[in-house]
Amino acid sequence: LAKTTQPISMDSYEGQEVNITCSHNNIATNDYITWYQQFPSQGPRFIIQGYKTKVTNEVASLFIPADRKSSTLSLPRVSLSDTAVYYCLVGEGYNGGSQGNLIFGKGTKLSVKP
Amino acid sequence: SAVISQKPSRDICQRGTSLTIQCQVDSQVTMMFWYRQQPGQSLTLIATANQGSEATYESGFVIDKFPISRPNLTFSTLTVSNMSPEDSSIYLCSVEDRVLTDTQYFGPGTRLTVL
Repeated sequence: LAKTTQPISMDSYEGQEVNITCSHNNIATNDYITWYQQFPSQGPRFIIQGYKTKVTNEVASLFIPADRKSSTLSLPRVSLSDTAVYYCLVGEGYNGGSQGNLIFGKGTKLSVKP
Repeated sequence: SAVISQKPSRDICQRGTSLTIQCQVDSQVTMMFWYRQQPGQSLTLIATANQGSEATYESGFVIDKFPISRPNLTFSTLTVSNMSPEDSSIYLCSVEDRVLTDTQYFGPGTRLTVL
């Protein structure tokens, strides 16, 4: 499975847009890029997933360049409640044989200040 | 998405004892996963549990220490055996999404403290 690299921490203020970039230089053709959010004392929660270009849902946007060696999670107008750890994962998917073995890196601890 | 519950939510245990953690899902799933998250660390997969077969353990985890049961498609247990303070962690179970690849839904976790 491809290894991912993210900043350890980021600070932001309420109302700002936050962009968290993840590097995955060894991403394979079949790999999807998935982001999770984890609040203290809770399990990780799926945020968004993409394969290429841009994906947007009600929570975030995910930008993936053509070479797919990196991805950027964009959180519009963050609030205090967005303070959490954000994990970027890259995997082959079930057809690729990884059978759900998610490899969590250290994640990015986002702190949103008033 | 799946709704997952875990029992207990937290426990404080004595060294040398064992604790069984339960994971209940609101729908039938083929694969269930057990993770450990040590204080301030990321998640590490312990094992994958399929109904009707032996669990598959990741490197560094063994069945004698972390026996797992999977009696049906909505339930699983993880036992932490002969506990030591190093076993103090949050233990999470998860299930896969039926549509999205590499997507899992996690339970709230069980916070274990071993004295």
